[in-house]
Amino acid sequence: SQTIHQWPATLVQPVGSPLSLECTVEGTSNPNLYWYRQAAGRGLQLLFYSVGIGQISSEVPQNLSASRPQDRQFILSSKKLLLSDSGFYLCAWSVTYRTTVITDTQYFGPGTRLTVL
Amino acid sequence: DAKTTQPNSMESNEEEPVHLPCNHSTISGTDYIHWYRQLPSQGPEYVIHGLTSNVNNRMASLAIAEDRKSSTLILHRATLRDAAVYYCILRGSGTYKYIFGTGTRLKVLA
Repeated sequence: SQTIHQWPATLVQPVGSPLSLECTVEGTSNPNLYWYRQAAGRGLQLLFYSVGIGQISSEVPQNLSASRPQDRQFILSSKKLLLSDSGFYLCAWSVTYRTTVITDTQYFGPGTRLTVL
Repeated sequence: DAKTTQPNSMESNEEEPVHLPCNHSTISGTDYIHWYRQLPSQGPEYVIHGLTSNVNNRMASLAIAEDRKSSTLILHRATLRDAAVYYCILRGSGTYKYIFGTGTRLKVLA
């Protein structure tokens, strides 16, 4: 069966410090990978998605970046955190099924709660 | 990206059915309708999805209007564990993106 891991679970960082959040998926090959952020009391905002190694699409221009060094590894980074980067960061994976209409189902990790002080 | 509109919140009594509505008047012919729910402090989990026909699974039922401009997620017997934020999302075939709105916060009363 497939599983998705995120770490760390919680993180408290000062403004201006770097960030690295990691997500790994087990039990599937060539998944689509996603990073979302959820501010307190808000919906999910798609940050990045990747359909293959080294392929990253950015949805929101900001001080965050993403990388996919291996097929089932997705990393979210920042060189200098802002207060507005605080939130609940979620990684998700999916596998696209190509029938008459393309669709898939996303599976989310447990999330990382980031507080920037 | 096509948008969805959901009520901000709803309440239900335990053991009673719950009908969660979603309007998506700009849906295209190849957009799937997906429902996810998010329990407190957890990532969203998949509930159900459909294209044109009504769908049933162990968690819920999805009723899709004939013109596909609206849909309803049906929880047949609400339990306290069903208290969550429910998101209705359109998944287009030409994109890998899901666009989450603010969802409906369901409160289940004992």
